[in-house]
Amino acid sequence: IAGITQAPTSQILAAGRRMTLRCTQDMRHNAMYWYRQDLGLGLRLIHYSNTAGTTGKGEVPDGYSVSRANTDDFPLTLASAVPSQTSVYFCASSEAADNTEAFFGQGTRLTVV
Amino acid sequence: GQNIDQPTEMTATEGAIVQINCTYQTSGFNGLFWYQQHAGEAPTFLSYNVLDGLEEKGRFSSFLSRSKGYSYLLLKELQMKDSASYLCAVVDSNYQLIWGAGTKLIIKP
Repeated sequence: IAGITQAPTSQILAAGRRMTLRCTQDMRHNAMYWYRQDLGLGLRLIHYSNTAGTTGKGEVPDGYSVSRANTDDFPLTLASAVPSQTSVYFCASSEAADNTEAFFGQGTRLTVV
Repeated sequence: GQNIDQPTEMTATEGAIVQINCTYQTSGFNGLFWYQQHAGEAPTFLSYNVLDGLEEKGRFSSFLSRSKGYSYLLLKELQMKDSASYLCAVVDSNYQLIWGAGTKLIIKP
């Protein structure tokens, strides 16, 4: 089934540890995004990639890094996790980096303790 | 700054009609999306408006007024499965999506 897959589904992580959230899509979409969703707040963009080989910073990039080595994969890395990074993380993709529909992964629930 | 406002929570009765409003102030406008998000799940696309007026899609309709910075999502013949959060998102001048915090819709029998 075509779509966008995230792993892991949930994770409890000790503060200070490094963690990579994985995201893979098989729709050949050019643009990919990482969001975090916190209670009472809208989805906030962490990083994005308009096409393979390029990345950009979103609204809340500090403490996170991404790479886009190919079209399909867009991993998000927390170099040294802190409790404020406890959140639900969604990866999304769209055909192009403009106002086209975004498709979301099922989310990763991350708890930093 | 950029801002999207939606009511935090609304309650409606099964079979009834509900209107969820969204007002926005953004740097430029290149379209407005509505997404549905059930608890614990990913957002899924409902509608997209870029021109003024009403877009109808089955039981759901979405309206846009660019001059007023206003949109609404209209849900008719409400069903229990419509209980979810409804997210309004605006595409700004840089083609970035600016998201509202969402409206939690509770449907009662």
